[in-house]
Order: sequence, then C-alpha cells, then structure tokens
Amino acid sequence: QKEVEQDPGPLSVPEGAIVSLNCTYSNSAFQYFMWYRQYSRKGPELLMYTYSSGNKEDGRFTAQVDKSSKYISLFIRDSQPSDSATYLCAMSSQAGTALIFGKGTTLSVSS
Amino acid sequence: GAVVSQHPSWVICKSGTSVKIECRSLDFQATTMFWYRQFPKQSLMLMATSNEGSKATYEQGVEKDKFLINHASLTLSTLTVTSAHPEDSSFYICSAAPSDLVDEQYFGPGTRLTVT
Repeated sequence: QKEVEQDPGPLSVPEGAIVSLNCTYSNSAFQYFMWYRQYSRKGPELLMYTYSSGNKEDGRFTAQVDKSSKYISLFIRDSQPSDSATYLCAMSSQAGTALIFGKGTTLSVSS
Repeated sequence: GAVVSQHPSWVICKSGTSVKIECRSLDFQATTMFWYRQFPKQSLMLMATSNEGSKATYEQGVEKDKFLINHASLTLSTLTVTSAHPEDSSFYICSAAPSDLVDEQYFGPGTRLTVT
C-alpha cells in the first residue's frame, strides 16, 4: 500500500460547480498536510496548508483534515476554467522534512 | 511571498555529458532544499535532501555519484546530472523550506531535461 493515495482522475466539471478532491494516507505520524496546484510543465504552487486535524478556508478553497480517518480533502467552490490543473496533496510527519506526494488529480473546468 | 527560481528552465544535452541545474531562494534563506524528479503523468518523487554546508541525503535508489548536489549557501543549491543518459530525461524540481517557516515548502518552476 502506498503511503498516500490519490485518484488521478481526470475530473471534469462545468464552471461554477463545487469540486471535491481527496487523499487517503496510511502513516499516522503525518501532521502537516498541504495542497499544491500544478499547471502543465510548471512547478507546484502551494494552495493550502493545514497542521493536524481541522478545517481551513481561503477564498474559494477549503481544506479539511480528518486524522482519525486518515483522509484529507480540498473543496473548490464556484470553480473557474482557470482552476483547470493538477492538484497534488502532500504531507509530512515533521516540519522541514521532505513531503510525500499523492499522484495528483487532473481537474478540467469547462466554461 | 516566498519565491524559488530554477535555471535553466529547459535543457537538451547529449548522452554522456553533464548538466548543472541551479535552485535559488530569492527572498528568504533556506536551511534545507529538496530535489524532486517528476516523470510525465507521475507525482513528484524525492531524490535528495540538501542542507547548507553538509552532504546531501539521498533517497534509496538514487545514485549519489550520478546526481551531485551542492548546497553552498543559504540561497543556492545545485544539482549536477553527470554522464546523462536518455532515461535521465525528466522534470527536475527543487523546493526550499524557509528557516523561519520550516513547516512550509515552496517550489521552483522546474527544469525540463532532455537527453538525446
């Protein structure tokens, strides 16, 4: 079993839809959870960062972490065509250490 | 925000030659930098962890004599791919952890290496 599992999609939604992206993990030591957005042939861009369990909201984005279920989610409200990208979840057990990435979910938002 | 640059963004080299990729943190000091490799439609795989002033720590399966990493200052790390082969063609991405915000990492734009 891989440490981080993420459905690669692709996921296609119409503009304005609510998008739900998810990752599961097996290592209970993970405490730091991040979501990155990556456009084709570009480096990942940090979208959301959460420490331990709980929710975090930033504009149209909401990140949720449920450590008891080893499950994290990213919700995108009012999705836009510009949100079309690959979304990668990443996590680590200690601050300043390397991240373990999911495979990434490719999202396409059509206008 | 924290900015990380990489140079070059794209390089083509002949098999057997060496290529150096630079990673710079532009507006913060980075005690730790990480090098990842990403093949098409795959996720980022950690190659090595680089700490300023000390030897890099390589992940299992990554040849340290082939992928030379130098972290000479708090703002610069370099990755040299020696005796490159076509199977080394990939997207190489670095990330940096700010010394005062060590629980977040910022990524460079990546370097696409093509070995012919």
